[in-house]
Amino acid sequence: EVQLVESGGGLVKPGGSLRLSCAASGFTFSNAWMSWVRQAPGKGLEWVGRIKSKTDGGTTDYAAPVKGRFTISRDDSKNTLYLQMNSLKTEDTAVYYCTTELKIFGVALGFFDYWGQGTLVTVSS
Amino acid sequence: EIVLTQSPGTLSLSPGERATLSCRASQSVSSSYLAWYQQKPGQAPRLLIYGASSRATGIPDRFSGSGSGTDFTLTISRLEPEDFAVYYCQQYGSSHSGLTFGGGTKVEIK
Repeated sequence: EVQLVESGGGLVKPGGSLRLSCAASGFTFSNAWMSWVRQAPGKGLEWVGRIKSKTDGGTTDYAAPVKGRFTISRDDSKNTLYLQMNSLKTEDTAVYYCTTELKIFGVALGFFDYWGQGTLVTVSS
Repeated sequence: EIVLTQSPGTLSLSPGERATLSCRASQSVSSSYLAWYQQKPGQAPRLLIYGASSRATGIPDRFSGSGSGTDFTLTISRLEPEDFAVYYCQQYGSSHSGLTFGGGTKVEIK
């Protein structure tokens, strides 16, 4: 059974930093393309960014609102995904979900088939 | 960036009725790169449809997707009590900076 368990959320002041983790199990993590998707309270979904598998280059991509402030990384030896968030703003307040990208015949399709339960990040003074 | 506009914002229907949800893109989207998700309160989203019309694993056949270009539709043929939720469309553009979600349609019990 695929499991994604996020942790590390909490209350942080504007300008502060926080690191989220996502522990993965039930699938071959090293082969997966992983993304973070967030949802502000009462609002819709927003893609944050993605990291490809190392065999596919291990590169990252970010949405414009977080580019230069957020960094996604992975530790395949620990089956863990990370989101380092710096220079946090009040508008970053959201539930952050860890997701896997659907692959068919080894090709990632840009859709998210497994999701964690999310971790809440609150940015407030 | 491609903007996805979902309508209506809220759909009030009774169990057993047919639901038709619309997702309109600001520019043409390849059908291969359009998906639909369902989200219930307090839960993570669930992938329903990808590639505009392919059902994800375990999704009942009362859910179907269609459309091309800029207009896409999610249809629920007969609403079951567990189908009352918020539905989001999502597109994946040719570059990763173009991955966007629609604003959602809430399907509520009439």
